[in-house]
Amino acid sequence: GAGVSQSPSNKVTEKGKDVELRCDPISGHTALYWYRQRLGQGLEFLIYFQGNSAPDKSGLPSDRFSAERTGESVSTLTIQRTQQEDSAVYLCASRGGTELYEQYFGPGTRLTVT
Amino acid sequence: AQSVTQLGSHVSVSEGALVLLRCNYSSSVPPYLFWYVQYPNQGLQLLLKYTTGATLVKGINGFEAEFKKSETSFHLTKPSAHMSDAAEYFCAVSEAGRRALTFGSGTRLQVQP
Repeated sequence: GAGVSQSPSNKVTEKGKDVELRCDPISGHTALYWYRQRLGQGLEFLIYFQGNSAPDKSGLPSDRFSAERTGESVSTLTIQRTQQEDSAVYLCASRGGTELYEQYFGPGTRLTVT
Repeated sequence: AQSVTQLGSHVSVSEGALVLLRCNYSSSVPPYLFWYVQYPNQGLQLLLKYTTGATLVKGINGFEAEFKKSETSFHLTKPSAHMSDAAEYFCAVSEAGRRALTFGSGTRLQVQP
C-alpha cells in the first residue's frame, strides 16, 4: 500500500501477558518512529530507527518495552508483562530520506490491558 | 529540552467563524514546527510545517500558521470554519539533530452549525 500500515488495529490483552505490535512503513522510508498516545494526551516518543544506525531508545518508559526493525522494512514493538497503564494507542510513523522532518503516520494500534 | 503547550483542550466555533488554535513552544535551538490533524479513528495527517524561510506558512484545507520567534508561538488559523474541520489538532516541535517530534496535548475543535 501507499501509506504506513499497522496491525492489529485493536488488541485486548490480560495484565501480565506479552504483546507484539507491527508496523509496515512506506516503502523506501529509512526512518521509523514509535509513539504512544494515552487517552486525552499528546503523543509520547518511544523509539526511533534510522537506517543501520543504533536506534534511539531514549523514550522507552521501561525495560518491558523493546522494538526491532528488520533493515528498512517492518518493525515490531514488544511489550512484556503488560500493565494497565500500558493501555494506549501506539502509533508508528516513517520518514523518507529526502524529507528531513515530515513524518507519515499509520492509523495506530489501540491496546487495552484488562 | 523542547516542549509544546497548546492552550485550550477544547475549542468550539460556529460554522463560518474564525478558527484560532494556540501553540507555544520552548526550544534551546531554532525549532522546526508542525501542525497535525487527527480525524476520528484515523492516523495523524500533516497540515503544515515551518522549517526555515517565510514565517507565515500555508497548509492544506485553508489552514495557515505564523511562526513568531519573539512570542515563541505557532498559532494555527483558518478564516472560516467548516463542519469537516471538526477533529483533534496537535502542534509539534523538532529540534535540529533530533528527528523525533515532541507533541502538545492536542486541541479538539468542534464546529457548530
